[in-house]
Amino acid sequence: EDQVTQSPEALRLQEGESSSLNCSYTVSGLRGLFWYRQDPGKGPEFLFTLYSAGEEKEKERLKATLTKKESFLHITAPKPEDSATYLCAVQDTRSNYQLIWGAGTKLIIKP
Amino acid sequence: SAVISQKPSRDICQRGTSLTIQCQVDSQVTMMFWYRQQPGQSLTLIATANQGSEATYESGFVIDKFPISRPNLTFSTLTVSNMSPEDSSIYLCSVASDKGYNEQFFGPGTRLTVL
Repeated sequence: EDQVTQSPEALRLQEGESSSLNCSYTVSGLRGLFWYRQDPGKGPEFLFTLYSAGEEKEKERLKATLTKKESFLHITAPKPEDSATYLCAVQDTRSNYQLIWGAGTKLIIKP
Repeated sequence: SAVISQKPSRDICQRGTSLTIQCQVDSQVTMMFWYRQQPGQSLTLIATANQGSEATYESGFVIDKFPISRPNLTFSTLTVSNMSPEDSSIYLCSVASDKGYNEQFFGPGTRLTVL
């Protein structure tokens, strides 16, 4: 069964303290893995798509990486405005559009 | 990416009533989706809405409870019918990139509270 697991559920960091969020997945074939950011009361904001193992993408303080079983979202020297819930979703090759969502990691950056 | 708006942004409704949520996109898109996000939970797909065809509902969701319209390539509505407190959620519409239907882009959501 296709599954996406994110860890940790919540992460509290001091401003400037770098860390990583994990997204592990089980699918028969990976069409794509997606990272989103969601602020309270708002819709998810698209961050990255990763398609194949070894691929990396960066945006400001965020870098997403992908292996055959998991993805990491590295956050370098975070700021309080990076506080949000980060969602991971995967798309199986058997699907044209359906996404399998993880439960998210709530990231809190303290000044 | 497409700019997506939803109306209303929030509403408080009485049990047994219905609410229609509108989703407007600033460009023509083939595939639109409706999701529900219950408090503290991740996203659950309700249905896929393609213009010119009936919506496709996911397991656990039925047309009588969540009727959907898709009259053109930039607009869709989701109605939550005969509401109960368990329907209190954020309702989100999204559109798929027409480049292979991979990335989805989301509207701001409608926060529904049912009393």
